[in-house]
Amino acid sequence: DVKVTQSSRYLVKRTGEKVFLECVQDMDHENMFWYRQDPGLGLRLIYFSYDVKMKEKGDIPEGYSVSREKKERFSLILESASTNQTSMYLCASSLVGGRNYNEQFFGPGTRLTVL
Amino acid sequence: AQKITQTQPGMFVQEKEAVTLDCTYDTSDQSYGLFWYKQPSSGEMIFLIYQGSYDEQNATEGRYSLNFQKARKSANLVISASQLGDSAMYFCAMREYSGGGADGLTFGKGTHLIIQP
Repeated sequence: DVKVTQSSRYLVKRTGEKVFLECVQDMDHENMFWYRQDPGLGLRLIYFSYDVKMKEKGDIPEGYSVSREKKERFSLILESASTNQTSMYLCASSLVGGRNYNEQFFGPGTRLTVL
Repeated sequence: AQKITQTQPGMFVQEKEAVTLDCTYDTSDQSYGLFWYKQPSSGEMIFLIYQGSYDEQNATEGRYSLNFQKARKSANLVISASQLGDSAMYFCAMREYSGGGADGLTFGKGTHLIIQP
């Protein structure tokens, strides 16, 4: 089974802190994604990566950056956390191709609270 | 304009009844894929079913089927014989393939389904 893990289920940080959210997948997937989920808004794409050291902006990249130094690991970085970044963050990965083209497998999510 | 519209914020359904969750989409691409995910209260996103824009038959996976009406840009999820464990948030999502690469999914706002005994 594909496994996508995220470093924390719950995280509380203070405004202005630098925050790292880590995601690891164990199925050698090329693509990795970071979404945030807010009530009434669904999931929105922050950044994605289709290869090591490659990254592309999603729909809401402002205030975030990412790092992909190894194929299995994709990190989301909040350079200076703000209260409007309080949210659930979901990481996902996918193969290129396959039966369900680009089906994404999700991690359990990290609920981040910024005080 | 929203690319994925789910018009039902919440639904209550009696156990064992069939359920239809609505999803309409907006794209000018010829090649795209439509996905449905389930999110129980525990938070994990569970993939349910996929329909490609060129697939001529409606997708089915066990109790789940996708009623794909391309001309109407509609991709409704049908759950047959609902069970208490089906209570969850359900998200419709789309991937447009014309750009290549690994673009992410565009999600709707979700429908909260509650199955009543």
